[in-house]
Amino acid sequence: DAKTTQPNSMESNEEEPVHLPCNHSTISGTDYIHWYRQLPSQGPEYVIHGLTSNVNNRMASLAIAEDRKSSTLILHRATLRDAAVYYCILRDDNAGNNRKLIWGLGTSLAVNP
Amino acid sequence: DTGVSQNPRHKITKRGQNVTFRCDPISEHNRLYWYRQTLGQGPEFLTYFQNEAQLEKSRLLSDRFSAERPKGSFSTLEIQRTEQGDSAMYLCASSLQTSVETQYFGPGTRLLVL
Repeated sequence: DAKTTQPNSMESNEEEPVHLPCNHSTISGTDYIHWYRQLPSQGPEYVIHGLTSNVNNRMASLAIAEDRKSSTLILHRATLRDAAVYYCILRDDNAGNNRKLIWGLGTSLAVNP
Repeated sequence: DTGVSQNPRHKITKRGQNVTFRCDPISEHNRLYWYRQTLGQGPEFLTYFQNEAQLEKSRLLSDRFSAERPKGSFSTLEIQRTEQGDSAMYLCASSLQTSVETQYFGPGTRLLVL
């Protein structure tokens, strides 16, 4: 599975936008880019996913570079509740049945009031 | 609430004892995953079920670990002869078989082996 590289930690202020980067230079053509986050003492939760085009949902936006070697998760207005570890994960959703997620260390986001 | 539930939420046991965890997935989800997470690390895949069939097991899953999903609904993960290195958060996730699946996670069971 292709690997991702994320900063260990980032800091933001409440109500400001946050841009969480992810590098995935070895991404293959069939790899989808998935983002999950894990709030303290909770299980992970899905945030967003994309393949080539930028994506928006109620939680966040995903901006994917044209060459797909990097992507950025955008939280438009950070709240204290967004303080979590954010994981960027590549998964080939065309390969076989097992859709296991291969996790890195993620980015720990702190949000200052 | 119809999310994924896990029981117990916390378990403290002595080395050498057996423990069993339960996961109740979202009712219509046919796929179920177990992961293990140690402090400061991302989750690691352990095993995966499609309906009642266990289709893949990680090399992390030693012979002391066994998982079942007898009727394709809830699942259990048993650890026999626990060791201190088994201390971790055990996470269960379920998903519906689609082209790009989203996994829904439970709150996890935190195991401490003394």
